Amino acid sequence: EAQVTQNPRYLITVTGKKLTVTCSQNMNHEYMSWYRQDPGLGLRQIYYSMNVEVTDKGDVPEGYKVSRKEKRNFPLILESPSPNQTSLYFCASSSGQVRWTGELFFGEGSRLTVL
Amino acid sequence: KQEVTQIPAALSVPEGENLVLNCSFTDSAIYNLQWFRQDPGKGLTSLLLIQSSQREQTSGRLNASLDKSSGRSTLYIAASQPGDSATYLCAVRPNSGTYKYIFGTGTRLKVLA
Repeated sequence: EAQVTQNPRYLITVTGKKLTVTCSQNMNHEYMSWYRQDPGLGLRQIYYSMNVEVTDKGDVPEGYKVSRKEKRNFPLILESPSPNQTSLYFCASSSGQVRWTGELFFGEGSRLTVL
Repeated sequence: KQEVTQIPAALSVPEGENLVLNCSFTDSAIYNLQWFRQDPGKGLTSLLLIQSSQREQTSGRLNASLDKSSGRSTLYIAASQPGDSATYLCAVRPNSGTYKYIFGTGTRLKVLA
């Protein structure tokens, strides 16, 4: 089954404790992206990757890091989480160049709470 | 700067009613527009993708239209069912060279049995 898998789905952590949210897709997609969803603000892009070793900032990259060492994986790293990073996080992927196909496939989401 | 607006924010309808959800965007320079469904505690499920050269797309009871010049898209749901209850999001893909979608904040739909 074609899917985007995120882990963990739920996480409560404390300020400053480094954490990683993993994302993996089994569709051989070149494009992957991270979004956060906050009430009243909708979904906002954090980082994206057009292919292995190619990543770039989205609209709200501060406090986050990503890596794309393998095509299927795109982890989101919070080096020193703060309470304003409490949010619902989504990983998404798409085939080819996003401008041509554009259909995004989303993971189930990871709800992160930073105390 | 591209902005996407969805009105109303919430909508309740009786089962069986045909309904229209609205999406407007401020800049007509887009590659495509996508409609998603989001259930509570779940991810986003793609419903329909309309490329900028298309006027509409259909899937089952769903029909989405796109009018780029006026910056509007509508999602038509025929014969609504309680299982259609969810939040519906539209998103546009600007053709300005950025690799992202810009999302509206959604319409929360409740279909009453």
